[in-house]
Amino acid sequence: DIVLTQAPLSVSVTPGESASISCRSSKSLLSSKGITSLYWYLQRPGKSPQLLIYQMSNLASGVPDRFSSSGSETDFTLKISKVETEDVGVYYCGHRLEYPLTFGSGTKLEIK
Amino acid sequence: EVQLQQSGAELVRPGTSVKLSCKVSGDTITAYYMHFVKQRPGQGLEWIGRIDPEDDSTKYAEKFKNKATLTADTSSNTAYLKLSSLTSEDTATYFCTTGATHFDYWGQGVMVTVSS
Repeated sequence: DIVLTQAPLSVSVTPGESASISCRSSKSLLSSKGITSLYWYLQRPGKSPQLLIYQMSNLASGVPDRFSSSGSETDFTLKISKVETEDVGVYYCGHRLEYPLTFGSGTKLEIK
Repeated sequence: EVQLQQSGAELVRPGTSVKLSCKVSGDTITAYYMHFVKQRPGQGLEWIGRIDPEDDSTKYAEKFKNKATLTADTSSNTAYLKLSSLTSEDTATYFCTTGATHFDYWGQGVMVTVSS
């Protein structure tokens, strides 16, 4: 199974500042179709997860452009610019390269 | 807009089974695969499996192969997750999720509590 390792476990950010979250894969997530199968989700407290980023760097519908993502075949970074209070929650990376699908263990973002 | 409506919370006895539903509105259930994800209290996300409602083909994570059964009813646009031989380890919130991109849409989650 593909293991996704996230860091840090938690991050505390002052509103208006930036935050970065790392996700490292145990295997290349570049598919045979040339798509990097890395996704980012946000789970706000008490809510269902929501898709933020698909295929490593594409913003999901309705997601503000303060969110961005980049990376290589195995190392990825989610960046949140100008953090707002509504960004509080747990961020997960996930892949869909092969079965079983797996997720990272999550990074909790808090506001200072 | 696609919406996923899941059934209500369950309190079940150890050793029994439970069947959870996930009703799709705003599109036909056959449009995309339906996935189910488990989240134990205070823990992360765990993929259980997926069903293709078009042909009822399924894929499961290894640890759920004898635990979970996914089915779909196209006439009611509903997917189901059945969990069997329940133990305290199955106490969790279960989400259904689907979409063209990948996990675009999520149900509200259903809490299953296994307790005697």
